[in-house]
Amino acid sequence: DAGITQSPRYKITETGRQVTLMCHQTWSHSYMFWYRQDLGHGLRLIYYSAAADITDKGEVPDGYVVSRSKTENFPLTLESATRSQTSVYFCASSSLDRGNEQYFGPGTRLTVT
Amino acid sequence: DAKTTQPNSMESNEEEPVHLPCNHSTISGTDYIHWYRQLPSQGPEYVIHGLTSNVNNRMASLAIAEDRKSSTLILHRATLRDAAVYYCILRGSTGANSKLTFGKGITLSVRP
Repeated sequence: DAGITQSPRYKITETGRQVTLMCHQTWSHSYMFWYRQDLGHGLRLIYYSAAADITDKGEVPDGYVVSRSKTENFPLTLESATRSQTSVYFCASSSLDRGNEQYFGPGTRLTVT
Repeated sequence: DAKTTQPNSMESNEEEPVHLPCNHSTISGTDYIHWYRQLPSQGPEYVIHGLTSNVNNRMASLAIAEDRKSSTLILHRATLRDAAVYYCILRGSTGANSKLTFGKGITLSVRP
């Protein structure tokens, strides 16, 4: 199906474990983004990417690693998960050709125990 | 980054128009005004954006003050499905300025 997908949709992991959240888009959008949303808060930008092999930090990058070897994929890795990283994670993509509108995935709810 | 100010919440009645205000007194000349909304348990979705002139699309209208220091999102006929958090965001035109900085938004409740 076309669009932007995230996997898994739900994940429970233990403190200290590595976990990777996947994001895939089928539009060939140049920009991709990772946000986290905590209860009662707006979204905060973790990392973003302007193109394959180009990534940059957002507002809250500590504890996260990203890569973008292909335009359509933008995985987010928590190298050693902590309880404070329990959150809902949203991936988004956008294209300069489409007025910079960002299209969001359905989110991944991550719980770190 | 230029910031926006929105009320915390607003209530409206179904099938009536809704005006959601946003103040952005420090907006720069190249900042676009974007609105997104987030329905419960979903990711945000784009609603509308504009630069200087008022804008209309199938979802809503955006009225921008002449000095661009404020704007209003207008839902012409609210439905129960419009109950959501609405975010007013300023966005630069290119490159790193294309990031979105979300505030807390305004929570819209729609009464049947």
